Amino acid sequence: DAGVTQSPTHLIKTRGQQVTLRCSPISGHKSVSWYQQVLGQGPQFIFQYYEKEERGRGNFPDRFSARQFPNYSSELNVNALLLGDSALYLCASSTAWGGGYEQYSGPGTRLTVT
Amino acid sequence: KQEVTQIPAALSVPEGENLVLNCSFTDSAIYNLQWFRQDPGKGLTSLLLIQSSQREQTSGRLNASLDKSSGRSTLYIAASQPGDSATYLCAVPYAGGTSYGKLTFGQGTILTVHP
Repeated sequence: DAGVTQSPTHLIKTRGQQVTLRCSPISGHKSVSWYQQVLGQGPQFIFQYYEKEERGRGNFPDRFSARQFPNYSSELNVNALLLGDSALYLCASSTAWGGGYEQYSGPGTRLTVT
Repeated sequence: KQEVTQIPAALSVPEGENLVLNCSFTDSAIYNLQWFRQDPGKGLTSLLLIQSSQREQTSGRLNASLDKSSGRSTLYIAASQPGDSATYLCAVPYAGGTSYGKLTFGQGTILTVHP
């Protein structure tokens, strides 16, 4: 069975630009979470979606937005990119929403902002 | 606010040693605790999930324990191998408010096993 997939693998953008990252969860998983991992630190929670509704939001500015589609795939959008947005963006899926479910991570998208 | 701390930050051991990685969390109201492995520049690989009602979980050479009341978990790796070299992260889901699925991660322990 395919795991969580993310695209693109790597991305280089310029300050002020906008970026869209994509995630496809494991088949049968209805919840998707997004995390930002800056080099040398643990991942930080950005969003969680379940059944196309936002179920949680981390401490990130409004430049960050996301959505989930009927097939449970998800997109993370970041506007007005800053140098500090350079990070590994991880998508994780779980069967349902809630704290008792194991989360499975994708390979990540490495975003570099110059 | 949940805070997760991992000790040590880095560990270098010779092949064959048994080792222990530590994770502590400030809020004991957790559903479970998950241990992950991360290779450089890669995503997270789930190693073990311990439910709050469990005290221990085992997978191969890995054994994780959970003491919810004291806010601690340990990951024990038996007979370490060079292939075990990676960053190990622990994470707990938030049990308060509405962000139930939000995982709070520690900073990780960078493990190097040399031949």
